[in-house]
Amino acid sequence: QSVLTQPPSVSAAPGQKVTISCSGSSSNIGNNYVSWYQQLPGTAPKLLIYENNKRPSGIPDRFSGSKSGTSATLGITGLQTGDEADYYCGTWDTTLSAVFGGGTKLTVL
Amino acid sequence: QVQLVESGGGLVKPGGSLRLSCAASGFTFSDYYMSWIRQAPGKGLEWISYISNSGSSIDYADSVKGRFTISRDNAANSLYLQINSLRAEDTAVYYCAKSILVTTNFGVANNFDYWGQGTLVTVSS
Repeated sequence: QSVLTQPPSVSAAPGQKVTISCSGSSSNIGNNYVSWYQQLPGTAPKLLIYENNKRPSGIPDRFSGSKSGTSATLGITGLQTGDEADYYCGTWDTTLSAVFGGGTKLTVL
Repeated sequence: QVQLVESGGGLVKPGGSLRLSCAASGFTFSDYYMSWIRQAPGKGLEWISYISNSGSSIDYADSVKGRFTISRDNAANSLYLQINSLRAEDTAVYYCAKSILVTTNFGVANNFDYWGQGTLVTVSS
């Protein structure tokens, strides 16, 4: 099991909004920043969100991140078929160093 | 533009060894932490090691401690991972990643802002 808990899958229709949750503890999310990664099929992961809610250059503002307590959320609005991918949250853990969630598969119906 | 290119993967028997390499370009390699992250077939991401920009600070996941050794050559803009005593569960795509690891008053900011394309390590008899 992963230290960070994500739903295995989420789905929504094109144009709609979806959120992906990431649940941790005070040892990780509760006291450190969260990042999010998008992994399109057959490719390497790409950084989507860092420091809870910041977007790297080139990432559209359809992607957003937030954190509250020991949980974080990735939001994607205006869903496109090209957003179909696996999404991972990541953070620092006091004991385990860098940790990731188990990943969430997004299906755009 | 930032480029990370891994090499060195392949098929190896249980108990064997491999040395993975990652050639970096497009940024000042000696200024940044670097990490290795792996992904078993059909599974999620697993961080396995990081090394500081100077090489003075190194950490490993418990799953590889004592078997894997990370190193870097800043003059050659290269990152390495020596993997020994390989097991079937080490079968994975191994990614190198440019890393940000900063301790602030509000917590640790750790993220991986650029990734290579990965190199596949298969451990099988």
